[in-house]
Amino acid sequence: AQSVTQPDIHITVSEGASLELRCNYSYGATPYLFWYVQSPGQGLQLLLKYFSGDTLVQGIKGFEAEFKRSQSSFNLRKPSVHWSDAAEYFCAVGDHGNQFYFGTGTSLTVIP
Amino acid sequence: NAGVTQTPKFQVLKTGQSMTLQCAQDMNHEYMSWYRQDPGMGLRLIHYSVGAGITDQGEVPNGYNVSRSTTEDFPLRLLSAAPSQTSVYFCASSYSSGSLYEQYFGPGTRLTVT
Repeated sequence: AQSVTQPDIHITVSEGASLELRCNYSYGATPYLFWYVQSPGQGLQLLLKYFSGDTLVQGIKGFEAEFKRSQSSFNLRKPSVHWSDAAEYFCAVGDHGNQFYFGTGTSLTVIP
Repeated sequence: NAGVTQTPKFQVLKTGQSMTLQCAQDMNHEYMSWYRQDPGMGLRLIHYSVGAGITDQGEVPNGYNVSRSTTEDFPLRLLSAAPSQTSVYFCASSYSSGSLYEQYFGPGTRLTVT
């Protein structure tokens, strides 16, 4: 069965520091992979997605993610975090059908 | 475009009561879905629809019914609410069926069942 693991429940970084959020997936084929961000009291917004081609994907707000098939990972990165990046981040897998599977999320706190 | 809208924003029910959570989108999207979000469990798919008249179950469908009579609307019904259904519910839509496409999420409905 498909599954998504985000091993870090909560991460705290200083403003201006780099960020990496981890995501591992379980899926038989090359999955469709997504990162979404959720601000408090809001719905989810797509940051970026991967479905084929270049394994380094650029997204909105300066985020990027790298698909590593050998590690079954799709980690999200940002070189310099801004205070407005504080939010909950979700990794998701599309199963090539009509279903999506989300990780449990990573909460990001940014300290000045 | 209003995008995906959900009503109500908040709701408190007593055990055994029924209600319908409303979801509408004005983007002419084929695919619509309902998720519940619980602490420590992420989002879990309840039901989805790939077009008017077509619905299917997701990961956690028990206790919920859906129908899709128009492209725009996808209501979620709780026939007999239980405390285990206390959650935040999100509706989402995407351009086409198939998990390749970006989903657009509504702002959510926070439901409490006492």
